[in-house]
Amino acid sequence: EIVLTQSPGTLSLSPGERATLSCRASQSVSSSYLAWYQQKSGQAPRLLIYGASSRATGIPDRFSGSGSGTDFTLTISRLEPEDFAVYYCQQYATSPGTFGQGTKLEIK
Amino acid sequence: EVQLVQSGAEVKKPGESLKISCKGSGYSFTSYWIGWVRQMSGKGLEWMGIIYPGDSDTRYSPSFQGQVTISADKSISTAYLQWSSLKASDTAMYYCARGMAAADFHHWGQGTLVTVSS
Repeated sequence: EIVLTQSPGTLSLSPGERATLSCRASQSVSSSYLAWYQQKSGQAPRLLIYGASSRATGIPDRFSGSGSGTDFTLTISRLEPEDFAVYYCQQYATSPGTFGQGTKLEIK
Repeated sequence: EVQLVQSGAEVKKPGESLKISCKGSGYSFTSYWIGWVRQMSGKGLEWMGIIYPGDSDTRYSPSFQGQVTISADKSISTAYLQWSSLKASDTAMYYCARGMAAADFHHWGQGTLVTVSS
């Protein structure tokens, strides 16, 4: 089973700043089958990025994903008030798929 | 429009059985993986398992293997998650989600809250 470790656990930033979230895998994620999700309180998760770097339908271009192998990054170029939420990475290259433990992005 | 509509909240006693559902619409139900994800209160997302309704190929996380059963009924475009004997520790929100190329979950149900309490 591939273990995903996200860092930091909590990120405190202000609107307008740049956010960089990390996801490290315990072994290589083949074909860059790595996704990022956003979850707001009381809501279902929403897919942001799949295939490590492809934006899902309707996702603003301030969200970008990068990385390969074992190291992946989600970048939010300029934070909007609605971006403060919890973010999860997920690998779907092997079964079982696994999620990281999440990064909480909070307003500073 | 792709939609996944889950069954309503459940309150059960320990030892009881339960089957919750996830009805897909707006797409070819047999052509995409559907997964189940658990979220305990205040905690993160846990990948439970997935099913390919076209041939019923099912994969489970070792953490959930033997604890739950995932199934699908192609005739009514519905996937299921079931327990034969619930425990208090099964109390959680359960989401179904549909994959695209694989188990990358592009579409999610609204969630079903399961509460197990004596």
